[in-house]
Amino acid sequence: AQSVAQPEDQVNVAEGNPLTVKCTYSVSGNPYLFWYVQYPNRGLQFLLKYITGDNLVKGSYGFEAEFNKSQTSFHLKKPSALVSDSALYFCAVRDTRNTPLVFGKGTRLSVIA
Amino acid sequence: NAGVTQTPKFRILKIGQSMTLQCAQDMNHNYMYWYRQDPGMGLKLIYYSVGAGITDKGEVPNGYNVSRSTTEDFPLRLELAAPSQTSVYFCASSSSGTSGMGQYFGPGTRLTVT
Repeated sequence: AQSVAQPEDQVNVAEGNPLTVKCTYSVSGNPYLFWYVQYPNRGLQFLLKYITGDNLVKGSYGFEAEFNKSQTSFHLKKPSALVSDSALYFCAVRDTRNTPLVFGKGTRLSVIA
Repeated sequence: NAGVTQTPKFRILKIGQSMTLQCAQDMNHNYMYWYRQDPGMGLKLIYYSVGAGITDKGEVPNGYNVSRSTTEDFPLRLELAAPSQTSVYFCASSSSGTSGMGQYFGPGTRLTVT
């Protein structure tokens, strides 16, 4: 069975500092990995995905994520955080069989001015 | 192109009442999904569909029913509402393969059962 772990419920970072939101996964075979962001009272919005190829994936709003197969991780990163990045972030995984995405429980990012 | 739409946005139900949450997509996606989001629990899959006439249970299907008579629509039915079904419900859709943004989500329906 597929699973995703987001070990931090909350991440606090000062504006302008780099941020990392952690995600580890478990899946049979090759993973398809996604990050989504949710702003208050809104649906989930796609940030980026890893399907195959380069381990460093670049996405929307300056976010990037690094796929590490040996550590089964897909951490979300941004070099310089903005207050507007404050939101709930979800990591998700599925296998290559087009099964539904399995989501982590989410990490709340708070960027402080 | 409206993407994924959900109605209603908010609803309050009394225990034992029934209702249908509507979901529609205009992207000709084969796959559609219903999730519920409880605080601190992430998203749990209720039901999903891989095409018209085909549905399957997710992780938390009890108390819900679905149907998929057309590619565009995927309604979720609550027959006997219970307080445990108080949640935010998200519908999503996707195409097959790996192109695009994975799943496209609707804005959600906030349901309270009292």
